[in-house]
Amino acid sequence: DTGVSQNPRHKITKRGQNVTFRCDPISEHNRLYWYRQTLGQGPEFLTYFQNEAQLEKSRLLSDRFSAERPKGSFSTLEIQRTEQGDSAMYLCASSSPGLAGGGEQFFGPGTRLTVL
Amino acid sequence: AQSVAQPEDQVNVAEGNPLTVKCTYSVSGNPYLFWYVQYPNRGLQFLLKYITGDNLVKGSYGFEAEFNKSQTSFHLKKPSALVSDSALYFCAVRAPLAGGYNKLIFGAGTRLAVHP
Repeated sequence: DTGVSQNPRHKITKRGQNVTFRCDPISEHNRLYWYRQTLGQGPEFLTYFQNEAQLEKSRLLSDRFSAERPKGSFSTLEIQRTEQGDSAMYLCASSSPGLAGGGEQFFGPGTRLTVL
Repeated sequence: AQSVAQPEDQVNVAEGNPLTVKCTYSVSGNPYLFWYVQYPNRGLQFLLKYITGDNLVKGSYGFEAEFNKSQTSFHLKKPSALVSDSALYFCAVRAPLAGGYNKLIFGAGTRLAVHP
């Protein structure tokens, strides 16, 4: 399967614990995005990488959140000192620039985080 | 601020009938518009996009959408609905010239229910 993959698919943790998610984008895509989706809502943008450079971060990304893409390939999203409000589906997407910059984003299956 | 509105939480249609899922947007500059579909326990799947050119764009699974600049709309359509089209549909917009690189702004989603 050459699509975007995410691990783990599900994560249950206790409040205050740290969690880390991994995203493996489509191999030829240099752009990688993280989104968060809560029940009944559309995905909300968290952060964007072009190659290894993190070029944009949402205000949603508090200082407890950190994302990396060390070699411009896979990416990790870490949440420190988790809170119940962090419970959500975390989606990763990747894209190529596309014609006129209009490359569509391809999404992974997501990691569902439950904070008890 | 950039935003997307999907005015209907749910659309019900009989199998074989035409369907429309509505989307309106608000952005600065020329928008890039996208439709995604989400099936239960799966990631978002790309359906179609409008970047430039012909206002009527065709996508996967027989779906099409019409870009209307004066009404700032991008409604999703299909001439004959299938029960298997039942899913959650998201409209999304990018406005590269308004800043924010490539992030997508999503609507809240519309649940399509196709009845036999």
